[in-house]
Amino acid sequence: GENVEQHPSTLSVQEGDSAVIKCTYSDSASNYFPWYKQELGKRPQLIIDIRSNVGEKKDQRIAVTLNKTAKHFSLHITETQPEDSAVYFCAASSGDKIIFGKGTRLHILP
Amino acid sequence: EAQVTQNPRYLITVTGKKLTVTCSQNMNHEYMSWYRQDPGLGLRQIYYSMNVEVTDKGDVPEGYKVSRKEKRNFPLILESPSPNQTSLYFCASSPYHYNEQFFGPGTRLTVL
Repeated sequence: GENVEQHPSTLSVQEGDSAVIKCTYSDSASNYFPWYKQELGKRPQLIIDIRSNVGEKKDQRIAVTLNKTAKHFSLHITETQPEDSAVYFCAASSGDKIIFGKGTRLHILP
Repeated sequence: EAQVTQNPRYLITVTGKKLTVTCSQNMNHEYMSWYRQDPGLGLRQIYYSMNVEVTDKGDVPEGYKVSRKEKRNFPLILESPSPNQTSLYFCASSPYHYNEQFFGPGTRLTVL
């Protein structure tokens, strides 16, 4: 079946540094790629998304890049802050389904 | 307030005892989904619905049923729960599958 691989599973970065999380997908027809943030004990919430006709999208400290040829997309968080500590999930549309990656636990070190 | 609600939030039950987890959204969304979240496995789609009376299997549908008789409601039914269905369940809705999904608060289910 269709698959989304997400790496790394855990990431620790110093406060103020940048964090990058990468995902690859298998369905070349996928055209919607959201990123969700899940804080401890909370529900996932969308932080940014990108569609297949766009290569990059930014929202303040967060950016997403998409390489359709290579079938991968990445989340970039700059100037990380303690409140960025959470689990991040990438996802890709596949037909009518949404396939999620397994998540990345991001730790921001003081 | 625009929201997705789920009930119950916590449930402990025994093997084989039928249960239903309700999900309701007030945003007039077409697309609704159920996910289960297990440590190390991320969010896996159980079933989804594109519209009223239209439901389809996600990646892990075995042991689950759903119905979509009204646009706002999308209940998840476990006819004969087993311990491997112990998990955190999320309902979500969105205008269409290629839009932001709004998640409910989650239902933590334990099957003994």
